[in-house]
Amino acid sequence: KAGVTQTPRYLIKTRGQQVTLSCSPISGHRSVSWYQQTPGQGLQFLFEYFSETQRNKGNFPGRFSGRQFSNSRSEMNVSTLELGDSALYLCASSVAGEQYFGPGTRLTVT
Amino acid sequence: AQSVTQPDIHITVSEGASLELRCNYSYGATPYLFWYVQSPGQGLQLLLKYFSGDTLVQGIKGFEAEFKRSQSSFNLRKPSVHWSDAAEYFCAVGLNNAGNMLTFGGGTRLMVKP
Repeated sequence: KAGVTQTPRYLIKTRGQQVTLSCSPISGHRSVSWYQQTPGQGLQFLFEYFSETQRNKGNFPGRFSGRQFSNSRSEMNVSTLELGDSALYLCASSVAGEQYFGPGTRLTVT
Repeated sequence: AQSVTQPDIHITVSEGASLELRCNYSYGATPYLFWYVQSPGQGLQLLLKYFSGDTLVQGIKGFEAEFKRSQSSFNLRKPSVHWSDAAEYFCAVGLNNAGNMLTFGGGTRLMVKP
């Protein structure tokens, strides 16, 4: 069974731009969660989607948003990028309480 | 608020030696506990989990962890470390019954001496 895939793997954007990251969960998994990983703040939960509905949300500004499609694929969007948004963004799909992570998208904001 | 503490930021052990990585949590209810490992430039791989039942849980790659409610701890152990175990290890607590919203500790970077 294929694992969680994330595209793109690497991204460089300029301050003020917006970005969309994509995540395809493991087949059959209906829950997708997003995390931000930075050296300073560590791993922080962004949000979780289940059956196209946001089920949980972390403590991030409204510039961070997401959605989930009927095939469980998920996207997250960050608008008006700031330098501090540079991070590894990890997606995880879940079943029975176990989360399986993708390789992440490395976003660099210049 | 829930929190997870990994007191050791870096640990160095010799290959073949035993390993224990510490994890303490603060959570009002019975926690769902996890250990993940991350190699450089990679995502997180689930090593083991505790939901309920036997407090000693076995995981992949020869790892085990013990849940101690009285100490609010979930320490990870391995009897004999291999060079390939060098990585960063994260302890996490699940914040709801589905465990799909994790709070992570700051991580412990393990280095293995030949």
